[in-house]
Amino acid sequence: GAVVSQHPSWVICKSGTSVKIECRSLDFQATTMFWYRQFPKQSLMLMATSNEGSKATYEQGVEKDKFLINHASLTLSTLTVTSAHPEDSSFYICSAPTSGRPNEQFFGPGTRLTVL
Amino acid sequence: RKEVEQDPGPFNVPEGATVAFNCTYSNSASQSFFWYRQDCRKEPKLLMSVYSSGNEDGRFTAQLNRASQYISLLIRDSKLSDSATYLCVVNVYGQNFVFGPGTRLSVLP
Repeated sequence: GAVVSQHPSWVICKSGTSVKIECRSLDFQATTMFWYRQFPKQSLMLMATSNEGSKATYEQGVEKDKFLINHASLTLSTLTVTSAHPEDSSFYICSAPTSGRPNEQFFGPGTRLTVL
Repeated sequence: RKEVEQDPGPFNVPEGATVAFNCTYSNSASQSFFWYRQDCRKEPKLLMSVYSSGNEDGRFTAQLNRASQYISLLIRDSKLSDSATYLCVVNVYGQNFVFGPGTRLSVLP
């Protein structure tokens, strides 16, 4: 199946710093990628939809100035958590859908962010 | 009402048991349906797509009832390795995927 990678797999940073997470589709092109956040014992919550060549679409309640998304190419989307705070500590997962029907989506392995 | 709802769980069952998970969705325009499993601190992995006619993959059987907007997953002869959270996922083609809250399964020796 399709492969999606994420980097880094985990990061610990001080409060106030910015953290960039990369999501790559390794063997297929993805015009759309999704960014999710998952807090402990909760389900995945969609944060935003990353669109190649255009602005990302953010879900209600997600600050676009805090979570910067750049879909630089058909295989790369980045999420930058700016001025991270402890409440931003979470598991961030990206995914990319295939174009087949039924279209499936493949998840990256996730990035565990801990803000001290 | 949430878009996708699942049994709250957790389910604790002995090895070899049969367990069924239920899921309902609110968007009648939904076109694609999936069951994913997620192990602790890992990303979700596709378990199976769900087709209108129902489908089976080994010990796993998925059913879809469009009229009732209901999806189910049946696991027969459960194994210890089946312990995970099972996520019901619904998609309107061309739009984002909506995840249910998940149902945690623990298979006990």
